Amino acid sequence: AQKITQTQPGMFVQEKEAVTLDCTYDTSDPSYGLFWYKQPSSGEMIFLIYQGSYDQQNATEGRYSLNFQKARKSANLVISASQLGDSAMYFCAMREDQMTTDSWGKLQFGAGTQVVVTP
Amino acid sequence: DAGVTQSPTHLIKTRGQHVTLRCSPISGHKSVSWYQQVLGQGPQFIFQYYEKEERGRGNFPDRFSARQFPNYSSELNVNALLLGDSALYLCASSLRAGQETQYFGPGTRLLVL
Repeated sequence: AQKITQTQPGMFVQEKEAVTLDCTYDTSDPSYGLFWYKQPSSGEMIFLIYQGSYDQQNATEGRYSLNFQKARKSANLVISASQLGDSAMYFCAMREDQMTTDSWGKLQFGAGTQVVVTP
Repeated sequence: DAGVTQSPTHLIKTRGQHVTLRCSPISGHKSVSWYQQVLGQGPQFIFQYYEKEERGRGNFPDRFSARQFPNYSSELNVNALLLGDSALYLCASSLRAGQETQYFGPGTRLLVL
């Protein structure tokens, strides 16, 4: 079963506008982490922001903020004041913290959302 | 400080050959993870190593193997290459295994002909 769902394959956004990228997840593990990564055409995955399942407040990092709604199992990324350099693929990922698995620390990724920022 | 480095950046092989990909983690990081990203998809977990021991293995055939060296660098080996192994191979490092943020390298693009 798909653990991470990103329903928006692609989005256009105008420079200086805000954009919200959707991410829903599925887990029965009470402890988990949610991540957003940016992947430009060069291929490198750039870490943007992290939210732990027990964090009370939504994470923020500069122009990035994570809208964490635990009951709805959603972790949407908000990019404020978009810049041309924000054009890239954006991936939502989850890490489940069950220490009984052999893949402790493994990241599970969604299919990604392609963002194109226009002047 | 240098980030995660990977070599080579690009590689072309033919079916049936063997390939070795290399990764050096961020200084001070002791865990390395490998991911395969096929075109148009999100990365898929292959292995995680911590303190030279395998801590996790994804759903990949035994043709895929890896190891971690005393300096925490790592190699990913793929035997008997198939066309479907063509992908971007990403290495990520973290301070420890488990509950740590993983930082990725630039990847190695492998093309199997």
